[in-house]
Amino acid sequence: DAKTTQPTSMDCAEGRAANLPCNHSTISGNEYVYWYRQIHSQGPQYIIHGLKNNETNEMASLIITEDRKSSTLILPHATLRDTAVYYCIVENTGTASKLTFGTGTRLQVTL
Amino acid sequence: EAGVAQSPRYKIIEKRQSVAFWCNPISGHATLYWYQQILGQGPKLLIQFQNNGVVDDSQLPKDRFSAERLKGVDSTLKIQPAKLEDSAVYLCASTHPIGHPNTGELFFGEGSRLTVL
Repeated sequence: DAKTTQPTSMDCAEGRAANLPCNHSTISGNEYVYWYRQIHSQGPQYIIHGLKNNETNEMASLIITEDRKSSTLILPHATLRDTAVYYCIVENTGTASKLTFGTGTRLQVTL
Repeated sequence: EAGVAQSPRYKIIEKRQSVAFWCNPISGHATLYWYQQILGQGPKLLIQFQNNGVVDDSQLPKDRFSAERLKGVDSTLKIQPAKLEDSAVYLCASTHPIGHPNTGELFFGEGSRLTVL
């Protein structure tokens, strides 16, 4: 059963912020939110993860709502190289990590 | 730091033939995964190893798929006999041992693309 819901596809103009939403209304207290992306013909790549607080790294920012039922991945200045499928995953990785991928959001960055 | 190495990158076989894929994880990564990704879908976990032991193989079709990690380092995934529906990319990933604070950060190889005719 899917733990997350994401839009199938999104477009973003190069240089603008890309905001990718994810709903995870059944998330439990010990589950983290992970984001991965997969560029064409490559393996998935880890982006960021969080539990409750907002997180930022060199690639992106993760905003998690206070009730933790949804989150948004923000790519602050999208480039053509950010065109990829973005996966939002909810998982308890405290014990044995076993990430379950859905179908993700296909982000197309355009000129 | 060297990434996860996989071979071969591409393989074309006929149905009922056998095929084997090899994976060498990042040095020091005790946990290794094999995922199957069918075109248009997200990766699906087939098997997870912790060192040379199997943690989870509940989604591995054991009548035709087998995997081993004998010395707890590199791993081999075998399919015998192959079916048309096994056409997919087979992704290997590794991460830190269970109990490490960031076990959810998986490092994936580029995958092995299998076409079954």
